[in-house]
Amino acid sequence: DQQVKQNSPSLSVQEGRISILNCDYTNSMFDYFLWYKKYPAEGPTFLISISSIKDKNEDGRFTVFLNKSAKHLSLHIVPSQPGDSAVYFCAASDSSNTGKLIFGQGTTLQVKP
Amino acid sequence: DTEVTQTPKHLVMGMTNKKSLKCEQHMGHRAMYWYKQKAKKPPELMFVYSYEKLSINESVPSRFSPECPNSSLLNLHLHALQPEDSALYLCASSQGGLAIYTGELFFGEGSRLTVL
Repeated sequence: DQQVKQNSPSLSVQEGRISILNCDYTNSMFDYFLWYKKYPAEGPTFLISISSIKDKNEDGRFTVFLNKSAKHLSLHIVPSQPGDSAVYFCAASDSSNTGKLIFGQGTTLQVKP
Repeated sequence: DTEVTQTPKHLVMGMTNKKSLKCEQHMGHRAMYWYKQKAKKPPELMFVYSYEKLSINESVPSRFSPECPNSSLLNLHLHALQPEDSALYLCASSQGGLAIYTGELFFGEGSRLTVL
């Protein structure tokens, strides 16, 4: 039973355009969400997070949107750059439980020059 | 220093071997983690140490034995592994202890393990 799902295994966008990566979750107790980026042969690196008390968090070119009623979050990258090409993992946690992170399967983003 | 260092980067071992994976961080983080990642799958939590004490064991088989000698070091001892244990093993750390799992995890590059 996968509690965090990234239904698109891959996404390809043109440089300068917007990249939208989606993530759905099933556990209504999740209250903290994070996005990680992973390059080949490297560990995941933290990108941006959002608490369930917010519906948007922005950091430079990266914005995460949270729709609690739909149990859906998305990561927007504007403008996309070739260096953004990587695997993006969505993760969620329930701080009232153990708070451990549950990861989605990842989406491979390719940004074409 | 914002790095989590894992050694070795690659390890090949037989099913009767005993080996260890090592992880080190010098960020003063008080929680350290072992994750296992198979190809095209998300990282799966194995163990969590909080303030040098094992706080979570995700029902991991006893052939995997974690050890936290001090707040900067985390080991994973491997013995009598199976070929299906071949995976990328990721170490991570975070500030604070048990209450701060919602914080950012800093990952190492991982140790690629192949069991023959």
